[in-house]
Amino acid sequence: QVQLVQSGAEVKKPGSSVKVSCKASGGTFSSYAISWVRQAPGQGLEWMGGIIPIFGTANYAQKFQGRVTITTDESTSTAYMELSSLRSEDTAVYYCARGILEMATIITEEVYYYYMDVWGKGTTVTVSS
Amino acid sequence: SYELTQPPSVSVSPGQTARITCSGDALPKQYAYWYQQKPGQAPVLVIYKDSERPSGIPERFSGSSSGTTVTLTISGVQAEDEADYYCQSADSSGTSLWVVFGGGTKLTVL
Repeated sequence: QVQLVQSGAEVKKPGSSVKVSCKASGGTFSSYAISWVRQAPGQGLEWMGGIIPIFGTANYAQKFQGRVTITTDESTSTAYMELSSLRSEDTAVYYCARGILEMATIITEEVYYYYMDVWGKGTTVTVSS
Repeated sequence: SYELTQPPSVSVSPGQTARITCSGDALPKQYAYWYQQKPGQAPVLVIYKDSERPSGIPERFSGSSSGTTVTLTISGVQAEDEADYYCQSADSSGTSLWVVFGGGTKLTVL
């Protein structure tokens, strides 16, 4: 049974950075895809980006390009999400989630399907002066 | 990237059937996935690949797809089903992939 345990709540000043961790237990971490999703107070879910081992790189939502970095450390089965240049609008709960990636070939095109089946409990990040 | 559109709210009485829709131009090509989120909790996957149900999810949850619209159906709604529901899909190009969520639908059990 895969479990994702996230680091504790953070309070940050505007302009600073935050790094949230997500430690996995169970399964084979090196084969995991990991996504980060955030939820501002009273708002919906927002995908920030993710790392997919077979792609060998991280993908980021356009909104966060240049401000977010997602990494993994296989030696500790831990994923990290670092968000820089924080502003008050970044106040949110940040979730990590294990991603399931599947691929199909439709005619000659490779299509990837992706969803998240196991979620961490979330880390609250508050940005305030 | 593209958008997924959900109704902001749906209300039903206990025992009735709730239907929550999600529309998006890429849905004929991409699967949709549904998550349930209760207040203060992390999302839980309730439907994957349009209509598959993960183990442990009650049979009253089902999904369907037609063209650019997918539907989450909850038959015989119970009070415990009151929650926010989000559809999700993905888009890919080469080795790049992006995930999209709908805006969420608040299900109220009257």
